[in-house]
Amino acid sequence: DADVTQTPRNRITKTGKRIMLECSQTKGHDRMYWYRQDPGLGLRLIYYSFDVKDINKGEISDGYSVSRQAQAKFSLSLESAIPNQTALYFCATSDFGQPYGYTFGSGTRLTVV
Amino acid sequence: AQKVTQAQTEISVVEKEDVTLDCVYETRDTTYYLFWYKQPPSGELVFLIRRNSFDEQNEISGRYSWNFQKSTSSFNFTITASQVVDSAVYFCALSIGTSGTYKYIFGTGTRLKVLA
Repeated sequence: DADVTQTPRNRITKTGKRIMLECSQTKGHDRMYWYRQDPGLGLRLIYYSFDVKDINKGEISDGYSVSRQAQAKFSLSLESAIPNQTALYFCATSDFGQPYGYTFGSGTRLTVV
Repeated sequence: AQKVTQAQTEISVVEKEDVTLDCVYETRDTTYYLFWYKQPPSGELVFLIRRNSFDEQNEISGRYSWNFQKSTSSFNFTITASQVVDSAVYFCALSIGTSGTYKYIFGTGTRLKVLA
């Protein structure tokens, strides 16, 4: 099994629908992140969590919400999806302390029509 | 302000050529970390290297090498004798902050196409 698993891998949804992207990890890391990737813009941070009780907004949190259900699970929700939320979404984890680099999930390609 | 610039949007080379991907960063922090990640066509992001601000030694790993120069705020990545499997988008990233508050800033990526 992958260290960081994202579900679904691909999703097409309609404008206005609520959708949840899920992320689970077996790394035992405290820290989890959600990024979105858009062509030419690189990766932008949506939300991050340093532990179960700690949730923080990233640079583009509007229109998104998250839930850290357990150390190993961090889900991202789009309450009312809109077309400009069409993107590739990545979940990542990292360990506490010095930044040894992220472990990324395989990504979720979301299309909002 | 902190920033990572990858000015090369896309590079095409012929197999076996050497290629250098540029990364320029901006930060006023004295302690920071630099990273390179690879994103092959399959889409996943793969960690390649981490370098801290106090270690300017260059690093070589097989056909990959990294040149860190604080004087020019650059952390460039060279692939020697490129192969088609090197075709990917490569991201440079900067991590700043103290323990517990690390923040990562990614560049916009460089798409490398290696032609057979």
